[in-house]
Amino acid sequence: GAGVSQSPSNKVTEKGKDVELRCDPISGHTALYWYRQSLGQGLEFLIYFQGNSAPDKSGLPSDRFSAERTGGSVSTLTIQRTQQEDSAVYLCASRGLGDSYNEQFFGPGTRLTVL
Amino acid sequence: AQSVTQPDIHITVSEGASLELRCNYSYGATPYLFWYVQSPGQGLQLLLKYFSGDTLVQGIKGFEAEFKRSQSSFNLRKPSVHWSDAAEYFCAVAISGNTPLVFGKGTRLSVIA
Repeated sequence: GAGVSQSPSNKVTEKGKDVELRCDPISGHTALYWYRQSLGQGLEFLIYFQGNSAPDKSGLPSDRFSAERTGGSVSTLTIQRTQQEDSAVYLCASRGLGDSYNEQFFGPGTRLTVL
Repeated sequence: AQSVTQPDIHITVSEGASLELRCNYSYGATPYLFWYVQSPGQGLQLLLKYFSGDTLVQGIKGFEAEFKRSQSSFNLRKPSVHWSDAAEYFCAVAISGNTPLVFGKGTRLSVIA
């Protein structure tokens, strides 16, 4: 089937505006991860969803960042009151329940530019 | 907390030459180890992974990696590089089968004729 998809592919916004980034995981995958890739920081974990468990939010950089996963499938990452340092590529990954190797499949990412 | 070090920010090799990209990790036990490749404008693609067993693992595109516990290393190798291998390579670790990945800063590979 299809891989992980993300939308939009590019987003340009003005400082102070809110943005929503969407991730459609591979069908049937129960685990979903958000990462951020920026020039200065490399690839950083943001948040992790596993089934119906409470998400692991330990990587969120501030309370302006939040994410939800509806129906155990699609996830939305929301950044409120965007700042220029939020400019980065936001990557989503999903993993199947039966995968003991923690193989995560990544989407193409959303490039966010905050002016 | 675990960490990953990729000492080489940028490597340039000639087409047909051999390649070795270095990766060292810091963790008290043997983590799950991965190498991903990211071509320009593309997402991350898994090249290979190590969990246990044979310490030499084969991956896609002719890549292999060797886990050396004594050196806490998981270096990526390819005997003969092709121009299409030019990309960014990331080493990553996870402490279990479902925890988030911790990535190195990446090594950018350039291939010259």
